[in-house]
Amino acid sequence: SSELTQDPAVSVALGQTVRITCQGDSLRNYYASWYQQKPGQAPVLVIYGKNNRPSGIPDRFSGSSSGNTASLTITGAQAEDEADYYCNSRDSSGNHVIFGGGTKLTVL
Amino acid sequence: QVQLQESGPGLVKPSETLSLTCTVSGGSISGYYWSWIRQPPGKGLEWIGYIYYSGSTNYNPSLKSRVTISLETSKNQFSLKLSSVTAADTAVYYCAREETYYYDTSGYYNNYFEPWGQGTLVTVSS
Repeated sequence: SSELTQDPAVSVALGQTVRITCQGDSLRNYYASWYQQKPGQAPVLVIYGKNNRPSGIPDRFSGSSSGNTASLTITGAQAEDEADYYCNSRDSSGNHVIFGGGTKLTVL
Repeated sequence: QVQLQESGPGLVKPSETLSLTCTVSGGSISGYYWSWIRQPPGKGLEWIGYIYYSGSTNYNPSLKSRVTISLETSKNQFSLKLSSVTAADTAVYYCAREETYYYDTSGYYNNYFEPWGQGTLVTVSS
């Protein structure tokens, strides 16, 4: 399969926990990677592998996977977490890169 | 610390060829996949294609007939050519390094992009 599906928009109250999901057949064999993108900026990697955070990414960001669904969880969302979030993997053939359509996170 | 920088014309006429170069500094091209990714205004990320350090390529099937990605290892650069452009090709174009892993404990693979270039806006207009 060559598609990753994300909810277009999600909101969370300040300090609460939010889960952003990504669905696709490729996720039965691939851990999704997650990117945060703020307006006018390049995407920034926030989660890769089973549940790894690059240096400088706060530990309130975590990743998980079950079946064909990957999740990005923000525990104790902050105002600065308001952004677009994208998941990505390779497709089931492993030859092509695919991105989810993105989820706009609003922190209320 | 590896850094990527896109360069090329910001304005391209319809039906012409878009050409961009990504310069890699602070590290070598060897051992990685190097991708072009674009983002039309107000829309999501679209992978265009990658070139492996060995020179092998793979492209998004929806763009394959118009895309060429090449490598100039001696200059630590890779380039994108997109032919027969239309207004639909107007986008911010990013170059990025991709790492891929296989986790033998779980049987899962992973790929991720890090770092990214800052992006360059290319407008297709006469």
